[in-house]
Amino acid sequence: AQTVTQSQPEMSVQEAETVTLSCTYDTSESDYYLFWYKQPPSRQMILVIRQEAYKQQNATENRFSVNFQKAAKSFSLKISDSQLGDAAMYFCAYRRVNFGNEKLTFGTGTRLTIIP
Amino acid sequence: DAGVTQSPTHLIKTRGQQVTLRCSPKSGHDTVSWYQQALGQGPQFIFQYYEEEERQRGNFPDRFSGHQFPNYSSELNVNALLLGDSALYLCASKILTGTGHTEAFFGQGTRLTVV
Repeated sequence: AQTVTQSQPEMSVQEAETVTLSCTYDTSESDYYLFWYKQPPSRQMILVIRQEAYKQQNATENRFSVNFQKAAKSFSLKISDSQLGDAAMYFCAYRRVNFGNEKLTFGTGTRLTIIP
Repeated sequence: DAGVTQSPTHLIKTRGQQVTLRCSPKSGHDTVSWYQQALGQGPQFIFQYYEEEERQRGNFPDRFSGHQFPNYSSELNVNALLLGDSALYLCASKILTGTGHTEAFFGQGTRLTVV
């Protein structure tokens, strides 16, 4: 079974600084997707960034980027120029690649606090 | 365009009762998944519905059942409620992106408290 581990229950960062959230996962599959989701107090899970395992290039979305290390099964999220609106719970998630599979496996989350 | 809508937003039930939660997917989305998120935890996959059938199921007992209607909306039913069923229940619908990938689009959840 696939597992996702987030070892940082809480992180904090000064506004405008950079922070990195860690995630490791375990799978025997060679092709899969990895995601970072943000969950603000509104409770809605919002997709931040996605990485396809077959791609060696790390995904980037504006101030958000990932460091995907397939051999080490590591998938960290870097947030640059942190803003107050970035404060939220962040979840790392895994999904197998096969037709009809929509199951996401989530980690336990990291609570990110932005210090003004 | 409305996103994924869930109702009710909050409810309180007594142990042993039954509850029904509802989800309307984003317009045009045909696949709905349900997740349970206990306090301080990540969401856990319950099941997925497509074409009115359960297609995938997570490690949840038969007390958890669902239904999908022809308009793609869905219900989650939980029988014989336990205190441990208290959680945020999230619904997600599927969108096929322009790149050919699918991604889950979540609602804001229903907070269920069992007393």
